[in-house]
Amino acid sequence: DGGITQSPKYLFRKEGQNVTLSCEQNLNHDAMYWYRQDPGQGLRLIYYSQIVNDFQKGDIAEGYSVSREKKESFPLTVTSAQKNPTAFYLCASSLEGGNNGELFFGEGSRLTVL
Amino acid sequence: SQKIEQNSEALNIQEGKTATLTCNYTNYSPAYLQWYRQDPGRGPVFLLLIRENEKEKRKERLKVTFDTTLKQSLFHITASQPADSATYLCAPRDDKIIFGKGTRLHILP
Repeated sequence: DGGITQSPKYLFRKEGQNVTLSCEQNLNHDAMYWYRQDPGQGLRLIYYSQIVNDFQKGDIAEGYSVSREKKESFPLTVTSAQKNPTAFYLCASSLEGGNNGELFFGEGSRLTVL
Repeated sequence: SQKIEQNSEALNIQEGKTATLTCNYTNYSPAYLQWYRQDPGRGPVFLLLIRENEKEKRKERLKVTFDTTLKQSLFHITASQPADSATYLCAPRDDKIIFGKGTRLHILP
C-alpha cells in the first residue's frame, strides 16, 4: 500500500545528543514537509522540500537540519542546539509543492529529551 | 502577522445533532482552505478542500463554507456520531499551508 512511514514512533534522547527521525514515502510525491506539534498547539513548519536536493526553512528551523537526497526520503535531525526538542514530530508529503493538494501525514514520532 | 483562530474550547455535541466548527483568519488571503481530522497520537488526515471561488463544498455528512469577505470558514458535521469525536484542524493556504490549533470535538452518545 502507498503511504508515508515515520520511524521510530517513540524516541528518548539525552540532552546534548543529536537524533535523526526517518520519513519515507512511496507515493511518488515531489514535496515533503516536517512539522512539530506541542500539546494544545497547532502544527508548526520546520523544513520543507519541493524537489530532490533542495529544501527551505520553515518557521522554526533553528536547531534542526534535513536532507533530501532521494525523492522518497526526507530525514530530520534534531540537533543539540534545539533548546526544547521534546515534541511530536509529523512528516507529510504532497503531490506538488505549489498551490494545490492535500498533505498526507505519517503517524508521527514522539521525541522525549531526558 | 498571519493568524488563524479556531474554537479554543472543546465542543460537546449530542449524537445526531449538527456540529459546527469555526475557523477565522487574519492578515492574509488564502487561495484555498483545507480541513483535517486528527485523532490522539496520530497524524492528521485530510477531509476537504475548498477554493476561494467556492462558497460551499460537501462530502457525505461534511459541509464546508468559505467566506472570503468575513475571512471565515465553517465546518459542519451533520447527523454526528461518537466516532466523529476528534480534533479538527483548519489549514488555509496562500504560498504555504498554516495550521490552526484545532478544535476538539466530543460527540456525546
